Amino acid sequence: SQTIHQWPATLVQPVGSPLSLECTVEGTSNPNLYWYRQAAGRGLQLLFYSVGIGQISSEVPQNLSASRPQDRQFILSSKKLLLSDSGFYLCAWRESPLTEAFFGQGTRLTVV
Amino acid sequence: AQKVTQAQTEISVVEKEDVTLDCVYETRDTTYYLFWYKQPPSGELVFLIRRNSFDEQNEISGRYSWNFQKSTSSFNFTITASQVVDSAVYFCALRGTGANNLFFGTGTRLTVIP
Repeated sequence: SQTIHQWPATLVQPVGSPLSLECTVEGTSNPNLYWYRQAAGRGLQLLFYSVGIGQISSEVPQNLSASRPQDRQFILSSKKLLLSDSGFYLCAWRESPLTEAFFGQGTRLTVV
Repeated sequence: AQKVTQAQTEISVVEKEDVTLDCVYETRDTTYYLFWYKQPPSGELVFLIRRNSFDEQNEISGRYSWNFQKSTSSFNFTITASQVVDSAVYFCALRGTGANNLFFGTGTRLTVIP
């Protein structure tokens, strides 16, 4: 069966520090991968998605970037965090755009 | 444009009551997909159901049921005989044809009081 791992679960970082969140999927190949952000009291906003290694699409301009160095690995990064980057970040995967998405357990990021 | 509206921000019910969570969507696509997810306090989104736009049959799964009505662009979710474990934030989502994104509503926080 497929599983998705996301870490760390919580993170407190100072403003201006770098960020690296990692997400890996097991039990499937060539998944579609997604990074979402959930601000407090709001729905989920798609940040990035990837349909293959090295292929990244950005949905909104921001202080973040994403990379997919391996088929089942998706990384969310920032060179310098802003206070507004605080939120709950969720990684998700699905086999194709036609199927449902399955989510990781999320990373709660607090920028101080 | 794709849009999902969950007008109910928070709902509280007493255990064993039935509760319906509303979802209204907007899309210009003739083929689309609707989803419901549950987000318990742990934060992970748990997939509940997917419906295709060409299948308006309502669905029942245990205490959960979904009412899909294209005429009113609604995809409502009913929990029968609610339990404390049902307490969570519930999200409705929409994906249109050719889109790689799920458009989420802002969620409804359900609290079931014992």
